[in-house]
Amino acid sequence: DAGVTQSPTHLIKTRGQHVTLRCSPISGHKSVSWYQQVLGQGPQFIFQYYEKEERGRGNFPDRFSARQFPNYSSELNVNALLLGDSALYLCASSLGRGTGELFFGEGSRLTVL
Amino acid sequence: GENVEQHPSTLSVQEGDSAVIKCTYSDSASNYFPWYKQELGKGPQLIIDIRSNVGEKKDQRIAVTLNKTAKHFSLHITETQPEDSAVYFCAARLYSGGGADGLTFGKGTHLIIQP
Repeated sequence: DAGVTQSPTHLIKTRGQHVTLRCSPISGHKSVSWYQQVLGQGPQFIFQYYEKEERGRGNFPDRFSARQFPNYSSELNVNALLLGDSALYLCASSLGRGTGELFFGEGSRLTVL
Repeated sequence: GENVEQHPSTLSVQEGDSAVIKCTYSDSASNYFPWYKQELGKGPQLIIDIRSNVGEKKDQRIAVTLNKTAKHFSLHITETQPEDSAVYFCAARLYSGGGADGLTFGKGTHLIIQP
């Protein structure tokens, strides 16, 4: 069975540009969460989506946005990129909103120059 | 909000010895505490978790203990093997007003198993 898949795996952008990252959850999982992992740190919660609605948001600026599609896949968008946005962006899926176990993808490595 | 502190940042042990990683959390409302293992170039993988109504949980060579009064929990790995070398993260589940299930992670422990 396929796990959580993310694309692209690596990308390079320049300051001020926009980026879209994509995630497909495990089949049957309805909840998708996004995390940012800066090098040498633990992942930091950005968003959770369940049944196509935003259910939670971490302490990130409005430049970060996301959405979930009817097939439960998700996109993370970041506008006006800053150097500090360089990080590994992780997508995680879970069966439902209240279940504990999160299954992470391999991540999208974003470098902002 | 929740804050999770993790120690040590690096831990080197001889193969076959035990390793212990400790975490403290600040929000007494947290009731779910997972541990993740992250290998180089990969996403975090859940290795064990514990809920607040349980004080200890064991799965083969891995165990987790939770002290809710002191707000700390620990990961114990016995009979360490080379494949245990990785970065380990503890986490606590954060409850926001909207009921999101966002995890708050510690900064990680780089576990090195010396042959």
